[in-house]
Amino acid sequence: EPEVTQTPSHQVTQMGQEVILRCVPISNHLYFYWYRQILGQKVEFLVSFYNNEISEKSEIFDDQFSVERPDGSNFTLKIRSTKLEDSAMYFCASKEGGNSNQPQHFGDGTRLSIL
Amino acid sequence: EDQVTQSPEALRLQEGESSSLNCSYTVSGLRGLFWYRQDPGKGPEFLFTLYSAGEEKEKERLKATLTKKESFLHITAPKPEDSATYLCAVRSTTGAQKLVFGQGTRLTINP
Repeated sequence: EPEVTQTPSHQVTQMGQEVILRCVPISNHLYFYWYRQILGQKVEFLVSFYNNEISEKSEIFDDQFSVERPDGSNFTLKIRSTKLEDSAMYFCASKEGGNSNQPQHFGDGTRLSIL
Repeated sequence: EDQVTQSPEALRLQEGESSSLNCSYTVSGLRGLFWYRQDPGKGPEFLFTLYSAGEEKEKERLKATLTKKESFLHITAPKPEDSATYLCAVRSTTGAQKLVFGQGTRLTINP
């Protein structure tokens, strides 16, 4: 069964450094998302991406964050200058089309630890 | 603002002991309510989508139902492998693509 893959599974970074989290969505999917989950808290929406542009973003997704689809298969989340509070599990998700019927499928996440 | 509240936070059952998990939601207009299962260290795994009050979906020992204010995930004769955190999420008519999640119910099935 097709799945969303994320790399790395665990990233440890010094505060202030840039980090790039990578995702390979399911191949025929058109909508892409990033969510995060701070330990013990809810899964929170960060951003959605369609047709090579951001379609929606949350208040969390400030100027320190950016997303890119550099080629036909990868979808990345960049954090320019990491803060301690960016430590969380980051999930990538993808969806086949715009129809409400279709669910978002999630990867297994990247655990980001900021030291 | 769209909100999702799940109860209980944690539930411990004996194998074979049926029960229900609750998801209460507040949205301006519901485009869909989604149930996911999350195992430790893994991403949410899709289970069901519900759209309108009265709708029901079933998969093995799980059945999801929907009213205008809440959804229930009924688990019948559970097995230890059903142990996981169950997440409820909504997509609203004003929220475009995003899902708003509840905090989850951590379900443990003892053999």
